[in-house]
Amino acid sequence: NAGVTQTPKFQVLKTGQSMTLQCAQDMNHEYMSWYRQDPGMGLRLIHYSVGAGITDQGEVPNGYNVSRSTTEDFPLRLLSAAPSQTSVYFCASRLEGGGHTDTQYFGPGTRLTVL
Amino acid sequence: AQTVTQSQPEMSVQEAETVTLSCTYDTSESDYYLFWYKQPPSRQMILVIRQEAYKQQNATENRFSVNFQKAAKSFSLKISDSQLGDAAMYFCAYSYTPLVFGKGTRLSVIA
Repeated sequence: NAGVTQTPKFQVLKTGQSMTLQCAQDMNHEYMSWYRQDPGMGLRLIHYSVGAGITDQGEVPNGYNVSRSTTEDFPLRLLSAAPSQTSVYFCASRLEGGGHTDTQYFGPGTRLTVL
Repeated sequence: AQTVTQSQPEMSVQEAETVTLSCTYDTSESDYYLFWYKQPPSRQMILVIRQEAYKQQNATENRFSVNFQKAAKSFSLKISDSQLGDAAMYFCAYSYTPLVFGKGTRLSVIA
């Protein structure tokens, strides 16, 4: 198993550009989520999904869109990048969608810089 | 809303000594999980240990153990025989749905 994979590892955007951060898992996990990590702020939840076709907002959803058309993939879209979105982005997954018993597994992260 | 508080932004420990990282949380739930994650400079999030709230016994993983006080909503991590490779950011996390993280404690290990 590759686990949770994220692409790209690094990205530089200009203000106003759009892009999609890719996340995939091959563990047949129901639950997937996106976090952003900023210095001194820990990891903050952007969006999450408890199964294909179901998504919900987290703590900091503004400026980001997600969709979950398959169990394996959970892309994060930045519609119009802003400097405030400069951060490290982590995708994570766990087996069960609605439960809380499982360990969450993380991808390696994407470092995004918006100029 | 559930919150997780790590009151020690930075800590340091001598190699081979023991250090305890603090974590408190707020919840109205009775059944949940708690986790400690380690983030070394490589940025990868690595699970260190997890605790099930309905279990009274404290979890242990080799040199890592927790002191779980459910009534006090406290979940501290003890690292014994500290090694240079333990230097990292450590995050406490509470899991109901979704996973909620504290802001982290940066641990330095002094040779």
